[in-house]
Amino acid sequence: LAKTTQPISMDSYEGQEVNITCSHNNIATNDYITWYQQFPSQGPRFIIQGYKTKVTNEVASLFIPADRKSSTLSLPRVSLSDTAVYYCLVGARDNQGGKLIFGQGTELSVKP
Amino acid sequence: DTGVSQDPRHKITKRGQNVTFRCDPISEHNRLYWYRQTLGQGPEFLTYFQNEAQLEKSRLLSDRFSAERPKGSFSTLEIQRTEQGDSAMYLCASSSWTSGRALDTQYFGPGTRLTVL
Repeated sequence: LAKTTQPISMDSYEGQEVNITCSHNNIATNDYITWYQQFPSQGPRFIIQGYKTKVTNEVASLFIPADRKSSTLSLPRVSLSDTAVYYCLVGARDNQGGKLIFGQGTELSVKP
Repeated sequence: DTGVSQDPRHKITKRGQNVTFRCDPISEHNRLYWYRQTLGQGPEFLTYFQNEAQLEKSRLLSDRFSAERPKGSFSTLEIQRTEQGDSAMYLCASSSWTSGRALDTQYFGPGTRLTVL
Protein backbone atom coordinates (compact mmCIF):
# COMPACT_ATOMS: atom_id res chain seq x y z
CA LEU A 1 0.00 0.00 0.00
CA ALA A 2 1.17 3.52 -0.83
CA LYS A 3 2.96 5.43 1.88
CA THR A 4 1.44 8.70 2.97
CA THR A 5 2.98 11.82 4.46
CA GLN A 6 1.01 14.38 6.42
CA PRO A 7 1.85 17.08 8.98
CA ILE A 8 2.26 15.77 12.49
CA SER A 9 0.21 18.56 14.05
CA MET A 10 -1.91 21.60 13.22
CA ASP A 11 -3.54 24.31 15.28
CA SER A 12 -6.73 26.16 14.46
CA TYR A 13 -9.41 28.30 16.05
CA GLU A 14 -13.11 27.71 16.29
CA GLY A 15 -15.02 28.76 13.20
CA GLN A 16 -12.04 28.51 10.85
CA GLU A 17 -11.75 26.22 7.86
CA VAL A 18 -9.00 23.65 8.27
CA ASN A 19 -7.20 22.02 5.37
CA ILE A 20 -4.98 19.00 6.00
CA THR A 21 -2.86 17.92 3.06
CA CYS A 22 -1.59 14.41 2.55
CA SER A 23 1.13 13.39 0.08
CA HIS A 24 1.01 9.99 -1.59
CA ASN A 25 3.47 10.17 -4.46
CA ASN A 26 3.40 6.44 -5.17
CA ILE A 27 -0.36 6.05 -5.34
CA ALA A 28 -1.43 3.28 -7.71
CA THR A 29 -4.13 3.45 -10.35
CA ASN A 30 -6.54 1.34 -8.30
CA ASP A 31 -5.93 3.10 -4.99
CA TYR A 32 -8.61 5.12 -3.25
CA ILE A 33 -7.89 7.82 -0.66
CA THR A 34 -9.61 7.52 2.70
CA TRP A 35 -9.57 9.70 5.79
CA TYR A 36 -10.29 8.58 9.35
CA GLN A 37 -10.73 10.63 12.52
CA GLN A 38 -9.74 9.42 15.97
CA PHE A 39 -10.63 10.95 19.32
CA PRO A 40 -8.62 10.04 22.43
CA SER A 41 -9.48 6.62 23.84
CA GLN A 42 -11.73 5.78 20.89
CA GLY A 43 -11.35 3.79 17.72
CA PRO A 44 -10.89 5.59 14.38
CA ARG A 45 -14.00 6.75 12.56
CA PHE A 46 -14.41 6.90 8.78
CA ILE A 47 -14.80 10.45 7.48
CA ILE A 48 -14.60 10.43 3.70
CA GLN A 49 -13.24 8.54 0.72
CA GLY A 50 -12.51 9.54 -2.86
CA TYR A 51 -10.72 8.61 -6.06
CA LYS A 52 -10.38 11.88 -7.96
CA THR A 53 -11.59 15.50 -8.11
CA LYS A 54 -13.84 16.45 -5.22
CA VAL A 55 -15.99 14.55 -2.78
CA THR A 56 -18.21 16.21 -0.20
CA ASN A 57 -20.34 14.84 2.61
CA GLU A 58 -21.97 16.29 5.69
CA VAL A 59 -18.69 16.26 7.60
CA ALA A 60 -15.92 17.24 5.20
CA SER A 61 -14.71 17.72 1.66
CA LEU A 62 -11.89 15.89 -0.05
CA PHE A 63 -9.97 17.52 -2.87
CA ILE A 64 -7.83 15.36 -5.13
CA PRO A 65 -5.82 16.94 -7.99
CA ALA A 66 -5.56 15.32 -11.38
CA ASP A 67 -2.19 13.67 -10.68
CA ARG A 68 -3.59 12.17 -7.43
CA LYS A 69 -0.20 12.49 -5.75
CA SER A 70 -1.75 14.44 -2.90
CA SER A 71 -5.12 15.10 -1.36
CA THR A 72 -6.58 17.71 0.98
CA LEU A 73 -9.14 17.11 3.67
CA SER A 74 -11.17 20.25 4.30
CA LEU A 75 -13.11 20.72 7.52
CA PRO A 76 -15.43 23.74 7.36
CA ARG A 77 -15.92 25.93 10.42
CA VAL A 78 -14.25 23.68 12.97
CA SER A 79 -15.38 23.50 16.56
CA LEU A 80 -13.60 22.37 19.71
CA SER A 81 -15.07 18.90 19.20
CA ASP A 82 -13.09 18.51 15.98
CA THR A 83 -9.90 18.24 18.03
CA ALA A 84 -8.65 14.79 17.05
CA VAL A 85 -6.06 12.90 15.04
CA TYR A 86 -6.77 12.67 11.33
CA TYR A 87 -5.33 9.82 9.28
CA CYS A 88 -4.91 9.72 5.51
CA LEU A 89 -4.81 6.25 3.97
CA VAL A 90 -4.55 4.94 0.43
CA GLY A 91 -5.50 1.47 -0.68
CA ALA A 92 -6.73 -0.56 -3.60
CA ARG A 93 -10.35 -0.44 -4.63
CA ASP A 94 -10.81 -4.16 -4.31
CA ASN A 95 -8.06 -4.88 -1.88
CA GLN A 96 -8.31 -8.57 -1.20
CA GLY A 97 -6.59 -8.03 2.09
CA GLY A 98 -8.73 -5.17 3.25
CA LYS A 99 -6.34 -4.11 5.97
CA LEU A 100 -5.80 -0.43 6.61
CA ILE A 101 -2.28 0.95 6.81
CA PHE A 102 -2.20 3.95 9.14
CA GLY A 103 0.61 6.47 9.38
CA GLN A 104 1.15 8.76 12.37
CA GLY A 105 -1.71 11.03 11.40
CA THR A 106 -2.19 14.75 11.94
CA GLU A 107 -3.08 15.90 15.42
CA LEU A 108 -5.48 18.81 15.03
CA SER A 109 -5.96 21.09 17.98
CA VAL A 110 -8.88 23.53 17.82
CA LYS A 111 -8.71 26.42 20.25
CA PRO A 112 -11.49 28.73 21.39
CA ASP B 1 -26.30 0.46 20.16
CA THR B 2 -25.49 -1.51 17.03
CA GLY B 3 -21.83 -0.54 16.72
CA VAL B 4 -18.76 -2.66 17.30
CA SER B 5 -18.32 -3.53 20.96
CA GLN B 6 -15.23 -4.73 22.78
CA ASP B 7 -14.80 -6.27 26.18
CA PRO B 8 -13.17 -5.48 28.51
CA ARG B 9 -12.42 -1.81 27.92
CA HIS B 10 -9.43 -1.94 30.22
CA LYS B 11 -7.24 -4.79 31.38
CA ILE B 12 -4.33 -4.68 33.77
CA THR B 13 -2.30 -7.83 34.10
CA LYS B 14 1.06 -9.01 35.35
CA ARG B 15 3.81 -10.10 33.04
CA GLY B 16 3.51 -13.76 32.16
CA GLN B 17 -0.25 -13.96 32.54
CA ASN B 18 -2.64 -14.80 29.71
CA VAL B 19 -5.36 -12.40 28.62
CA THR B 20 -8.33 -12.71 26.27
CA PHE B 21 -10.26 -9.93 24.60
CA ARG B 22 -13.62 -10.16 22.91
CA CYS B 23 -14.99 -8.26 19.94
CA ASP B 24 -18.61 -8.23 18.79
CA PRO B 25 -18.85 -6.81 15.28
CA ILE B 26 -21.78 -5.08 13.67
CA SER B 27 -24.40 -7.66 12.93
CA GLU B 28 -23.97 -9.40 9.58
CA HIS B 29 -20.58 -7.85 8.87
CA ASN B 30 -18.55 -10.58 7.25
CA ARG B 31 -15.09 -9.13 7.90
CA LEU B 32 -13.51 -8.59 11.27
CA TYR B 33 -10.12 -6.98 11.87
CA TRP B 34 -7.79 -6.66 14.83
CA TYR B 35 -5.36 -3.77 15.17
CA ARG B 36 -2.94 -2.68 17.88
CA GLN B 37 -2.18 0.93 18.70
CA THR B 38 0.56 2.31 20.92
CA LEU B 39 0.75 5.84 22.22
CA GLY B 40 1.38 8.43 19.52
CA GLN B 41 1.18 5.94 16.67
CA GLY B 42 -1.50 4.97 14.23
CA PRO B 43 -3.17 1.56 14.53
CA GLU B 44 -1.19 -1.41 13.20
CA PHE B 45 -2.90 -4.32 11.49
CA LEU B 46 -2.70 -7.66 13.29
CA THR B 47 -5.08 -10.04 11.57
CA TYR B 48 -8.44 -10.32 9.89
CA PHE B 49 -11.26 -12.80 9.30
CA GLN B 50 -13.74 -13.20 6.55
CA ASN B 51 -16.60 -15.03 8.19
CA GLU B 52 -14.87 -17.70 10.27
CA ALA B 53 -11.74 -17.96 8.14
CA GLN B 54 -8.59 -16.17 9.26
CA LEU B 55 -7.20 -14.90 5.99
CA GLU B 56 -4.15 -12.88 6.97
CA LYS B 57 -1.86 -12.48 9.95
CA SER B 58 0.69 -9.74 10.37
CA ARG B 59 4.28 -10.53 11.25
CA LEU B 60 3.53 -8.50 14.39
CA LEU B 61 1.40 -11.40 15.55
CA SER B 62 3.89 -13.59 17.34
CA ASP B 63 3.22 -17.16 18.40
CA ARG B 64 1.93 -15.86 21.71
CA PHE B 65 -1.02 -14.27 19.96
CA SER B 66 -4.00 -16.21 18.69
CA ALA B 67 -7.30 -15.05 17.32
CA GLU B 68 -10.49 -16.92 16.59
CA ARG B 69 -13.87 -16.26 15.10
CA PRO B 70 -15.50 -19.65 15.51
CA LYS B 71 -18.98 -18.96 14.20
CA GLY B 72 -18.26 -16.01 11.99
CA SER B 73 -19.73 -13.60 14.50
CA PHE B 74 -17.76 -12.50 17.58
CA SER B 75 -14.01 -12.88 17.78
CA THR B 76 -11.49 -13.37 20.56
CA LEU B 77 -7.86 -12.33 20.71
CA GLU B 78 -5.70 -14.15 23.23
CA ILE B 79 -2.23 -13.16 24.32
CA GLN B 80 -0.26 -15.80 26.20
CA ARG B 81 2.62 -15.07 28.54
CA THR B 82 2.14 -11.33 28.28
CA GLU B 83 5.15 -9.04 28.12
CA GLN B 84 5.41 -5.37 28.95
CA GLY B 85 5.79 -4.63 25.26
CA ASP B 86 2.27 -5.95 24.71
CA SER B 87 0.86 -2.90 26.52
CA ALA B 88 -1.26 -1.12 23.94
CA MET B 89 -4.79 -0.42 22.79
CA TYR B 90 -6.26 -3.38 20.91
CA LEU B 91 -8.83 -2.28 18.38
CA CYS B 92 -11.39 -4.36 16.57
CA ALA B 93 -13.13 -3.29 13.37
CA SER B 94 -15.73 -4.86 11.13
CA SER B 95 -16.94 -4.31 7.62
CA SER B 96 -19.40 -5.63 5.09
CA TRP B 97 -17.15 -6.58 2.22
CA THR B 98 -18.29 -7.40 -1.27
CA SER B 99 -15.90 -8.13 -4.11
CA GLY B 100 -15.69 -5.28 -6.57
CA ARG B 101 -17.35 -2.70 -4.37
CA ALA B 102 -15.40 0.53 -4.06
CA LEU B 103 -16.15 1.28 -0.47
CA ASP B 104 -15.27 -1.12 2.32
CA THR B 105 -15.71 1.09 5.33
CA GLN B 106 -14.31 -0.35 8.52
CA TYR B 107 -16.18 0.48 11.71
CA PHE B 108 -14.03 0.44 14.79
CA GLY B 109 -14.88 -0.45 18.35
CA PRO B 110 -13.72 1.57 21.36
CA GLY B 111 -10.76 -0.69 21.96
CA THR B 112 -9.37 -2.61 24.90
CA ARG B 113 -6.50 -0.92 26.69
CA LEU B 114 -4.02 -3.48 27.99
CA THR B 115 -1.45 -2.61 30.63
CA VAL B 116 1.14 -5.25 31.45
CA LEU B 117 2.95 -4.63 34.73
